[in-house]
Amino acid sequence: MVLTQSPGTLSLSPGDKATLSCRASQSVPINYLAWYQQRPGQPPRLLIYGASTRAAGIPVRFSGSGSGRDFTLTISRLEPEDFAVYYCHQYDTSPTCTFGHGTRVEI
Amino acid sequence: VQLVESGGGLVRPGRSLRLSCAASGFTFDDFALHWVRQPPGKGLEWVAGISWNSGSIYYADSVKGRFTVSRDNGKNSLYLQMNSLKTEDTALYYCVKAQYSRGGYFHSWGQGSLVTVTS
Repeated sequence: MVLTQSPGTLSLSPGDKATLSCRASQSVPINYLAWYQQRPGQPPRLLIYGASTRAAGIPVRFSGSGSGRDFTLTISRLEPEDFAVYYCHQYDTSPTCTFGHGTRVEI
Repeated sequence: VQLVESGGGLVRPGRSLRLSCAASGFTFDDFALHWVRQPPGKGLEWVAGISWNSGSIYYADSVKGRFTVSRDNGKNSLYLQMNSLKTEDTALYYCVKAQYSRGGYFHSWGQGSLVTVTS
């Protein structure tokens, strides 16, 4: 499984809407697709799992959608702390998985 | 949930290193665990995963045959034995807890242990 994220870099301003894409090389079983945010110097933080379920404590401005091979992470109105790198992640019922190469959201 | 990696450092190509991850705050033997690495300035790469009872173990092709993942449920610890290290293994290695006993998304991450392979 290969996950292709686009764009590589997204240049936006606070208050803008961000739309990040993740395309899988084959259909993702049971929508086992997650999104993570990574700020500089920090480990990744889980945002979304099951393609569209927000993890505990994640603001409602983050939403996930999609199925099959195409998935989207949307940030409705960017806050200053949202400028970071975002990764999609295909996981499984076995201990194996794949990450996308990331999308950097920059000011 | 707390995951604390240790054992990283500077090592020559071809040598070995063993990473450890001490876990607390959850029932250790209920969950699958993984190692994920991140080369400096680059993206995330999944390295290896192990199910709750070590019955299922998987490796990325880039480390297969060189790295061995193991766990000791009695000590709440995860390990990564890295042999025949290459310069491209240089990375921050994260210990990660999966959501389920055999797999699942990654709910909790450690702070990472830096491994630098250089001559």
